[in-house]
Amino acid sequence: DQQVKQNSPSLSVQEGRISILNCDYTNSMFDYFLWYKKYPAEGPTFLISISSIKDKNEDGRFTVFLNKSAKHLSLHIVPSQPGDSAVYFCADSNYQLIWGAGTKLIIKP
Amino acid sequence: DVKVTQSSRYLVKRTGEKVFLECVQDMDHENMFWYRQDPGLGLRLIYFSYDVKMKEKGDIPEGYSVSREKKERFSLILESASTNQTSMYLCASSSGGARRDGYTFGSGTRLTVV
Repeated sequence: DQQVKQNSPSLSVQEGRISILNCDYTNSMFDYFLWYKKYPAEGPTFLISISSIKDKNEDGRFTVFLNKSAKHLSLHIVPSQPGDSAVYFCADSNYQLIWGAGTKLIIKP
Repeated sequence: DVKVTQSSRYLVKRTGEKVFLECVQDMDHENMFWYRQDPGLGLRLIYFSYDVKMKEKGDIPEGYSVSREKKERFSLILESASTNQTSMYLCASSSGGARRDGYTFGSGTRLTVV
């Protein structure tokens, strides 16, 4: 049974600091892990992904790290900005997307 | 530059009504999906379709049906709406090689059943 867990329902970070969002998974056969960002009353938008054969992928202020031995990945946002306040979902991409429950990130001014 | 369009942003329906949620994509994607999003539960897959007139049950299909008569359109039907179907409904589409880039979502329909 594939599971993706985001154990922190919410996270509050000061503007300009680093935001770290975490995700744990059980499936060892995934191709990619994806991160999505969702504002209220809007659909999720794709943010960044990481291949199972890599341990890091970077795109501007966003970096995703993959630790396969721990079955853990994290999304780093540096520096955090007010517009980053949103719900972030991680998803295991294999046959279908298996979603975590989401983490609500609040950036304080 | 709209790519996935959901027909309504907000809907209020009465218990027992038949409800149609429409989704249209203009990217010629083969795959289309219906999710519902509830706080603390993430996105749960209701139904999906990999081709015209083809449909597959997702994780929570009970109380729902779908229709895909044309490639660009995927409809979600609530046969007899109930209050526990109050939720945010999200439609998404993807091409065959979407594993790296993920899905494209519509803006969502907030459905309230009273």
